Amino acid sequence: AQSVTQPDIHITVSEGASLELRCNYSYGATPYLFWYVQSPGQGLQLLLKYFSGDTLVQGIKGFEAEFKRSQSSFNLRKPSVHWSDAAEYFCAVGARTGGFKTIFGAGTRLFVKA
Amino acid sequence: GAGVSQSPSNKVTEKGKDVELRCDPISGHTALYWYRQSLGQGLEFLIYFQGNSAPDKSGLPSDRFSAERTGGSVSTLTIQRTQQEDSAVYLCASSLETPYEQYFGPGTRLTVT
Repeated sequence: AQSVTQPDIHITVSEGASLELRCNYSYGATPYLFWYVQSPGQGLQLLLKYFSGDTLVQGIKGFEAEFKRSQSSFNLRKPSVHWSDAAEYFCAVGARTGGFKTIFGAGTRLFVKA
Repeated sequence: GAGVSQSPSNKVTEKGKDVELRCDPISGHTALYWYRQSLGQGLEFLIYFQGNSAPDKSGLPSDRFSAERTGGSVSTLTIQRTQQEDSAVYLCASSLETPYEQYFGPGTRLTVT
């Protein structure tokens, strides 16, 4: 069965510092991988996705993620965090299992300190 | 253009009552998804529609939950005989096709008293 693990429930970084949010997945075939962000009072928004090809993908708001098959990981990175990045971040894996199911991780809440 | 809309935005109901939650997807999106987000939890997949059919109903928590989609558009999630553990935010999303980007609605916050 597919699963997604986000090991960090919450992370605090200083504004301007770099950020890496971890995501590990379990899926037998090549997965479809996503990162979504949920800001306070806002709906979920797609940051970036990986389907195939270049394993380093660029997203919106200066985010990027790298797919590492050998580690079953899809970590999200940003070189310099802004206060407006404070939000909850969800990693997700999409899988074709008869239909199409998307499994979300439990999320990582990012706090940004001045 | 218009995004995914959900109604009602908030619903308070008494234990044992039935509730219906509605989702209007983005026009032309063939895939529609329902999720549940409990306080402090991630998103729990409930059901997925491709057109009007639901190939995967495995996420529905119990037989009290059902969903339908008509005309390849509007979807309704029905919870019968609500229980307190059903209290959560129910999110709907749609996508042009699978496995493309899902666009989420604002959610319906359900409180069962």
